[in-house]
Amino acid sequence: DVKVTQSSRYLVKRTGEKVFLECVQDMDHENMFWYRQDPGLGLRLIYFSYDVKMKEKGDIPEGYSVSREKKERFSLILESASTNQTSMYLCASSLSLFVTGGDNEQFFGPGTRLTVL
Amino acid sequence: GQNIDQPTEMTATEGAIVQINCTYQTSGFNGLFWYQQHAGEAPTFLSYNVLDGLEEKGRFSSFLSRSKGYSYLLLKELQMKDSASYLCAVNQAGTALIFGKGTTLSVSS
Repeated sequence: DVKVTQSSRYLVKRTGEKVFLECVQDMDHENMFWYRQDPGLGLRLIYFSYDVKMKEKGDIPEGYSVSREKKERFSLILESASTNQTSMYLCASSLSLFVTGGDNEQFFGPGTRLTVL
Repeated sequence: GQNIDQPTEMTATEGAIVQINCTYQTSGFNGLFWYQQHAGEAPTFLSYNVLDGLEEKGRFSSFLSRSKGYSYLLLKELQMKDSASYLCAVNQAGTALIFGKGTTLSVSS
């Protein structure tokens, strides 16, 4: 079974703090993704990575950065946390972006509920 | 532009059948996923369709019409544990899945 883990289930930070959210997958997947999920807005893509050291902006990259130094690990960084970044953050991974069929299925981690005070 | 539409909320009773619709307009199409997400949990895979027609998997079935940009998820013999959000997601080659906002299904006894 694919396993995607996230460093924390719940996190409380103060405005202006630098926040690191870590995600690790154990199935040698090429792609990793960071989403945030808010009521009424659904899943919104922040960044994704299709290879080590490669990254692509998603729909809402402002205020965030990412790092992928190793294939299995994808980090989301909030350089200076703000209250509007309070949200559920979900990490996902998939085998490849360029395969057909269900092999582009994304497997999700359990999520990190971040509260910025 | 890219757009995926699903109803926001649906209600049904135990034992009933419910159909959750999804319409999409995307620049490319390489299949459609349905995910289930219980409150406070991660989305989990339910089904995948890339060809027109119905895919059946136990109590759940998913249908796709590519010409109409339309899919539905059919849940039969509803149980209380089926209360969850159901997410429709379009697969495009070379990029991340595009998710709809999800449909929250409430099943009552």
